[in-house]
Amino acid sequence: QQQVKQSPQSLIVQKGGISIINCAYENTAFDYFPWYQQFPGKGPALLIAIRPDVSEKKEGRFTISFNKSAKQFSLHIMDSQPGDSATYFCAARVSGSARQLTFGSGTQLTVLP
Amino acid sequence: NAGVTQTPKFQVLKTGQSMTLQCAQDMNHEYMSWYRQDPGMGLRLIHYSVGAGITDQGEVPNGYNVSRSTTEDFPLRLLSAAPSQTSVYFCASSPPREVWTQYFGPGTRLLVL
Repeated sequence: QQQVKQSPQSLIVQKGGISIINCAYENTAFDYFPWYQQFPGKGPALLIAIRPDVSEKKEGRFTISFNKSAKQFSLHIMDSQPGDSATYFCAARVSGSARQLTFGSGTQLTVLP
Repeated sequence: NAGVTQTPKFQVLKTGQSMTLQCAQDMNHEYMSWYRQDPGMGLRLIHYSVGAGITDQGEVPNGYNVSRSTTEDFPLRLLSAAPSQTSVYFCASSPPREVWTQYFGPGTRLLVL
């Protein structure tokens, strides 16, 4: 049972374009939504995170948009670069839980030069 | 500061063999976790620990054992390897007040024949 559904599975974008990855959840007990970036042969690394009381968070070219009523959140990568080519995972944490994170299935992003 | 280290990087086992995947962190993090990563399934939590002497099951614990005798080390034991355990295994650690900030190791690629 996947509690966080991520789409698309793969995404190809031209250099300079906007990459958009979407995630949806059902569990209203989730209270923190991080995104992780993973390069081939490496472990995932935290990219950006958002709490549900904020509708948008921006860090450089990366923006998380959060829609609490729709139980959806998305990652936007502006001015996508070939160096952004990686696998991106959304995740969620249950409020007050030490049970670590529930991850989405991942999106493999390829940015063409 | 090495962060999270994992050994070995790659291992081939025969069905029925046992082995221990090693994980260590030097950031004095109380929380540590083991995930497995399979294509199209994201990262799934196997076991986690909130401190020395305290462990708990995650989403897919069957066939795996853990122990936490020190803050630094969190080994994962495969009791009797099965082909279904072929995967990439990641160890992660996090500060207790920032569970969403997981620091991942480089991973162990395991092939069970």
